[in-house]
Amino acid sequence: KQEVTQIPAALSVPEGENLVLNCSFTDSAIYNLQWFRQDPGKGLTSLLLIQSSQREQTSGRLNASLDKSSGRSTLYIAASQPGDSATYLCAVSNAGNMLTFGGGTRLMVKP
Amino acid sequence: DGGITQSPKYLFRKEGQNVTLSCEQNLNHDAMYWYRQDPGQGLRLIYYSQIVNDFQKGDIAEGYSVSREKKESFPLTVTSAQKNPTAFYLCASSIVFAVNTEAFFGQGTRLTVV
Repeated sequence: KQEVTQIPAALSVPEGENLVLNCSFTDSAIYNLQWFRQDPGKGLTSLLLIQSSQREQTSGRLNASLDKSSGRSTLYIAASQPGDSATYLCAVSNAGNMLTFGGGTRLMVKP
Repeated sequence: DGGITQSPKYLFRKEGQNVTLSCEQNLNHDAMYWYRQDPGQGLRLIYYSQIVNDFQKGDIAEGYSVSREKKESFPLTVTSAQKNPTAFYLCASSIVFAVNTEAFFGQGTRLTVV
């Protein structure tokens, strides 16, 4: 059974810092990996989708990489801002588009 | 505006009651999903539907039921058989039930047992 782990569970950084969030998964036979953002009490906003054949995806200050063989993905956030404060979730798809989620990393960016 | 609408935002259930959570999408997506989120945890799949009049159990379907009579609607009923229903429920959709399609989520319904 697929298991997804995110480290760290919580992270607090000063504004302007570059940071890396980590995601690992146990079954490398994935079709894609998605990174989501969740604000408190809200739904999920899709940030990046990396297909299994891709190594990375970029959107603005966000860059996500995927190393399928080692079961790892990282989300790099450049020049962090207080508005980036949220919980970041990674999820992998092994079949159809049924997603297995990690527990999330709660990020706080201090002004 | 295209998107997924979940209602109500907050729902309170008494012991022994069934309650139904609404999920409507106007994205013309074939596939829809229900997830449950507990505090500090990731999401877990309850049910999914690949197409109208079809649905399948996910990892934690016990105590829940769904229907998919219309493409745009996928309501979730939390029955009295669900022993620990207090959670945040999220509905999602994707254009088709296929790999490499992006999942889009609603804003969630918070269910509390009183």
